[in-house]
Amino acid sequence: DAKTTQPPSMDCAEGRAANLPCNHSTISGNEYVYWYRQIHSQGPQYIIHGLKNNETNEMASLIITEDRKSSTLILPHATLRDTAVYYCIGATGRRALTFGSGTRLQVQP
Amino acid sequence: GAGVSQSPRYKVTKRGQDVALRCDPISGHVSLYWYRQALGQGPEFLTYFNYEAQQDKSGLPNDRFSAERPEGSISTLTIQRTEQRDSAMYRCASSLESNRANEQYFGPGTRLTVT
Repeated sequence: DAKTTQPPSMDCAEGRAANLPCNHSTISGNEYVYWYRQIHSQGPQYIIHGLKNNETNEMASLIITEDRKSSTLILPHATLRDTAVYYCIGATGRRALTFGSGTRLQVQP
Repeated sequence: GAGVSQSPRYKVTKRGQDVALRCDPISGHVSLYWYRQALGQGPEFLTYFNYEAQQDKSGLPNDRFSAERPEGSISTLTIQRTEQRDSAMYRCASSLESNRANEQYFGPGTRLTVT
C-alpha cells in the first residue's frame, strides 16, 4: 500500500467546511485513495474512495490532484459529531487496509 | 440490516490462558479481515479470508495467533498462551467482494485484557 502523510491534528468551527489534506506521492496507478474515520472507540467507518476523478457522496467530497500525489477530504458543513480521527489510505481493492496515524479533527462549537 | 458483530465485547484473561474471539460478518460478505488496535493508534492488519480460504496471514505476530473461517462465514481468532503484550482491541471487518474497491465494514471490537 502507498505511504500516506497527514497532519496529526486540525481544528474546524462547527458549520464550516473541514478540509483534510493527505499526501500520497508514491501511490501506484492501481491504488485507490480511501478515507475512513474513527469516532472515539468505535470501529472505523468508511467515508469515500476514488481513483482519479473527484468523488462526492452524502458524507463528503474527495478531491484528488491530477498527478494523484495528494488529495483533500472535504466535510462541507462540519458538526460536532464529525469530531474523529480521519485516515487516508492508498490501497488496491484486493487486500487489507494499512492505517497510519491519521488526522485528529476537532470540531469546535 | 445487521452489521458486523463480535463477541465477547470484553475479555479479561490470565497470562498463559487461551482465548477465542468470534466475528460474525455481514451476511453475504466474501472477505473477512482481522485487525488489532493499540490505544491511540490506527488498526494493524492481522489476517484476512476470502470465503473460507485464508489469503494472507502475514500480520499475525507469531505462531500463538491463528484464525479460521471454516464455512466461509463466522471466523474465530485464537490466541494461545496469552501474554500481557496481547492486550488490545481486536477488530473484525468484512467486505462484499475482494476484487473491487473494498469498502470494509467494521465491528465494535473485542477489548482483550491479559492480566
